[in-house]
Amino acid sequence: AQSVTQLGSHVSVSEGALVLLRCNYSSSVPPYLFWYVQYPNQGLQLLLKYTSAATLVKGINGFEAEFKKSETSFHLTKPSAHMSDAAEYFCAVINRGDMRFGAGTRLTVKP
Amino acid sequence: SQTIHQWPATLVQPVGSPLSLECTVEGTSNPNLYWYRQAAGRGLQLLFYSVGIGQISSEVPQNLSASRPQDRQFILSSKKLLLSDSGFYLCAWRLGFQADTQYFGPGTRLTVL
Repeated sequence: AQSVTQLGSHVSVSEGALVLLRCNYSSSVPPYLFWYVQYPNQGLQLLLKYTSAATLVKGINGFEAEFKKSETSFHLTKPSAHMSDAAEYFCAVINRGDMRFGAGTRLTVKP
Repeated sequence: SQTIHQWPATLVQPVGSPLSLECTVEGTSNPNLYWYRQAAGRGLQLLFYSVGIGQISSEVPQNLSASRPQDRQFILSSKKLLLSDSGFYLCAWRLGFQADTQYFGPGTRLTVL
């Protein structure tokens, strides 16, 4: 069964620094992978998704993620963090038709 | 365009009281519907999903139940709430195709006292 693991439940960066949120997947077939963002007391919003069309996927708010089959990874990056990026981020994979989520990574941005 | 609504937005209920949370989707037909719960520090837990009217699958046995009386309506219920039912409840929908995005509602914050 497909699953995802997010490394690091909390990540803290300074404003303007690189954001790197890690996600590794486990799948016996080519996976469909997603990154979502959740702001406090709100639902989840799609940042980007990988559907095998291109290994580098660009999303909203300046985020992007690269699918690396050799490393079974789908890490989320942003070159320069903004205060508004502070939120919880979830990696997800489609498993037998249903979406399965990682445990989430809380991103803190320091001024 | 598609929209998803949840209500109420917040709810404070005493232990042992009943619960009814409602979710409706607009702008699509025959969606798969999902209920998730977020307890503090525990990520997203899938509670129920439905692929059609009257079809409910439970992921976690507990004192909650779900129903889908109409194509785009999904209800989460309980006859007697427990303290452990407190959390943030999210409804979501997606179509049944593999690469489809899942869309989430705004959530309901439930506090059981």
